[in-house]
Amino acid sequence: DSGVTQTPKHLITATGQRVTLRCSPRSGDLSVYWYQQSLDQGLQFLIQYYNGEERAKGNILERFSAQQFPDLHSELNLSSLELGDSALYFCASSVANRDLGNTIYFGEGSWLTVV
Amino acid sequence: AQTVTQSQPEMSVQEAETVTLSCTYDTSESDYYLFWYKQPPSRQMILVIRQEAYKQQNATENRFSVNFQKAAKSFSLKISDSQLGDAAMYFCAYRRDRDDKIIFGKGTRLHILP
Repeated sequence: DSGVTQTPKHLITATGQRVTLRCSPRSGDLSVYWYQQSLDQGLQFLIQYYNGEERAKGNILERFSAQQFPDLHSELNLSSLELGDSALYFCASSVANRDLGNTIYFGEGSWLTVV
Repeated sequence: AQTVTQSQPEMSVQEAETVTLSCTYDTSESDYYLFWYKQPPSRQMILVIRQEAYKQQNATENRFSVNFQKAAKSFSLKISDSQLGDAAMYFCAYRRDRDDKIIFGKGTRLHILP
């Protein structure tokens, strides 16, 4: 157990709909990252938040948005869903500690299937 | 921009044998972090091993070890005494600094032959 919690674990929805994926980082971690992994693909970085502020943005579509709340949990909102958005969405968090190698820990992911 | 390259899309190794997965990266930074993550069929991302660029000694975790060649920007993973449970996709990853995102390679799928 990495300590990063993601809900829901599985989600099936129709095209055109909107969903929200939720992530609770490990206790004490200020940074939250979202990644997308399509079938048999590598991990694509979407967006990073640090202590409530957007820190970095990757290949995130305009139909997608995210935020990090004061309690440090984060939500990824996906709207106007298309079949190609079907993927495994990972949340990860990290502690900024040089001695710990600045490791990023991943949640178990949220499986999104768009039908 | 930093990039991570894994040139072996798939590899196979006999159970109990040793296998080495290759990874190269491109960066202009002198201080950074490198990782190998394992993704089994469950799709969970599991940290296998990490290496800090400022440390010259290669990291080791039980049967897993790395060969870190900073000048060559190479970071290979050696798995000794391969076990069936080692079958997975392995991702090499780079992180420039604390609070920075991780950049992943495209992965190497490792098959263990009984």
